[in-house]
Amino acid sequence: NAGVTQTPKFQVLKTGQSMTLQCAQDMNHNSMYWYRQDPGMGLRLIYYSASEGTTDKGEVPNGYNVSRLNKREFSLRLESAAPSQTSVYFCASSEVSYEYLAKNIQYFGAGTRLSVL
Amino acid sequence: RKEVEQDPGPFNVPEGATVAFNCTYSNSASQSFFWYRQDCRKEPKLLMSVYSSGNEDGRFTAQLNRASQYISLLIRDSKLSDSATYLCVVNPIIQGAQKLVFGQGTRLTINP
Repeated sequence: NAGVTQTPKFQVLKTGQSMTLQCAQDMNHNSMYWYRQDPGMGLRLIYYSASEGTTDKGEVPNGYNVSRLNKREFSLRLESAAPSQTSVYFCASSEVSYEYLAKNIQYFGAGTRLSVL
Repeated sequence: RKEVEQDPGPFNVPEGATVAFNCTYSNSASQSFFWYRQDCRKEPKLLMSVYSSGNEDGRFTAQLNRASQYISLLIRDSKLSDSATYLCVVNPIIQGAQKLVFGQGTRLTINP
């Protein structure tokens, strides 16, 4: 019953360092997402992958890159971390259905708390 | 204007009380609506989907008013365990419905 698994749970970086956040889901979902959550801002979409082999920008993509490695895994990379990227990062997955109305129920990982000094 | 707006609260209510939250959305083409619950320092989890004119799940009732573009969540007989942040979530388009828009959340504290 793992659902969506994110690693690491916590990370501290210095400005300019790079790192990759890992995400894996075992629900056989086609779609995966990366969000960041900042106080008073709600969840904001960074990138998403509608299906294996495709990725698209969300609301706040600058400073990030993503890779949909396979159907299970979707990673987020910070090439040169900046203090503005201090946030909580959530990965999510879903299976979008179109039976009647578009329905996109997303399941979230436990999050990665990132501090950039 | 934000796509999804919620009163951030905090709402502090006594145990057993009834509490209601409202959420407004700006995109009239929005198709699906949800309420998620987020406990402190945890991930968001689906509380309930909102279909048609509304639906009920135990002590929780969600209402949708398309004409006025708002969604509400009513919690009856509130429990201490209901303390959390409640996120209003809107799925704005039909085709390629990948993007959800999250409100900033309404913080609720139930007091003994």
